[in-house]
Amino acid sequence: QLVLTQSPSASASLGASVKLTCTLSSEHSSYAIAWHQQQPEKGPRYLMKVNSDASHSKGDGIPDRFSGSSSGAERYLTISSLQSEDEADYYCQTWGTGIRGVFGGGTKLTVL
Amino acid sequence: EVQLLESGGGLVQPGGSLRLSCAASGLTFSYYAMNWVRQAPGKGLEWVSTLSGSGGTTYYADSVKGRFTISRDNSKNTLYLQMNSLRAEDTAVYYCAKDSDASGSYSDCWGQGTLVTVSS
Repeated sequence: QLVLTQSPSASASLGASVKLTCTLSSEHSSYAIAWHQQQPEKGPRYLMKVNSDASHSKGDGIPDRFSGSSSGAERYLTISSLQSEDEADYYCQTWGTGIRGVFGGGTKLTVL
Repeated sequence: EVQLLESGGGLVQPGGSLRLSCAASGLTFSYYAMNWVRQAPGKGLEWVSTLSGSGGTTYYADSVKGRFTISRDNSKNTLYLQMNSLRAEDTAVYYCAKDSDASGSYSDCWGQGTLVTVSS
């Protein structure tokens, strides 16, 4: 079964960096994922797609502070120079043959 | 700039029906699969349904299969979700989301959402 696992929460200080993790089910370790940000009381916003080879493609207007990477079944979202507006929920999403709309449970990022 | 605007949400009694619409602009609508994704109060994102760009292939979450129907009118750049036999657990903000290709993969643009409340 295609499953994405995310830690429920993370925190980091203003101006620091944070790395969020999305873990694919082991038999699907080659799959690409997409990261989405949802600020409080807003709809989600697409951030980037991250491939298994660590290449990534960002959405329009996404700052350079946001980057993606990959290792094995793990896909990462790194946010550097944290700003207050980065405090949000972050979701990963994947898909497969005949499978659509698999979301992780989300990580709530607190900027201290 | 791609824009997605949902409408049609509201208060409905259990067992009732509602049709959501999503008007798209700034894109060649038929080139892209489209989705409905919902979010119950205080919960995470839950995928509901996907429809291919041509309208020929549909996918549904088990929780809505047989009750909800996704459709599109490519001449009107509009996506629909017909929701029947609504239950309290269908209460959520419903988002329309555009996929990056015609067959369906990941979403790269989202609407602002429309609230559906199922309550007596």
